[in-house]
Amino acid sequence: SQTIHQWPATLVQPVGSPLSLECTVEGTSNPNLYWYRQAAGRGLQLLFYSVGIGQISSEVPQNLSASRPQDRQFILSSKKLLLSDSGFYLCAWSVQGAWEKLFFGSGTQLSVL
Amino acid sequence: AQSVTQLGSHVSVSEGALVLLRCNYSSSVPPYLFWYVQYPNQGLQLLLKYTTGATLVKGINGFEAEFKKSETSFHLTKPSAHMSDAAEYFCAVSEKGFKTIFGAGTRLFVKA
Repeated sequence: SQTIHQWPATLVQPVGSPLSLECTVEGTSNPNLYWYRQAAGRGLQLLFYSVGIGQISSEVPQNLSASRPQDRQFILSSKKLLLSDSGFYLCAWSVQGAWEKLFFGSGTQLSVL
Repeated sequence: AQSVTQLGSHVSVSEGALVLLRCNYSSSVPPYLFWYVQYPNQGLQLLLKYTTGATLVKGINGFEAEFKKSETSFHLTKPSAHMSDAAEYFCAVSEKGFKTIFGAGTRLFVKA
């Protein structure tokens, strides 16, 4: 069966520090991969999605970047965190050709202080 | 461009009462519509989805939703609320692409 792993679960970082959040999917090949952010009191905002290795689409210009170095690995990064980067980050995947169902990871709660 | 509006950021019902969570969407093409549920500090789980065919869609945990094209709505209902239904619920829309757009969410409180 397929599983999605996202870590860390919680993270507290100072303003200006770098960020790296990792997400891996097991049990499937060539998934679509997504990063969403959920800010306090707000819905989910799609940040990035990827349909293949090295293929990244950015939805919102921001302080963050994403990379997909391997088929089932999706990384969210920042060189210098801002206060406004705080939020709950969710990784998700969908099957190629069955994109309409998203499977979510358990999320990372990021607090930038 | 597609968008989703969820009416009411918080809804409170008594246990055993009807649950109604409202969702309106905007889409330039026939949409795919979804409801997801999120329990505290967890990711989202798919409750139900509408793609084509029957406009009344049944999901898990006794929830159902009806696609009404004329009203551009996809409201979520459950006849009798249970304490375990307390969670945040997200309506979402997709125009048959890779992107699913979510509403702001509605937090459901269930009173004993």
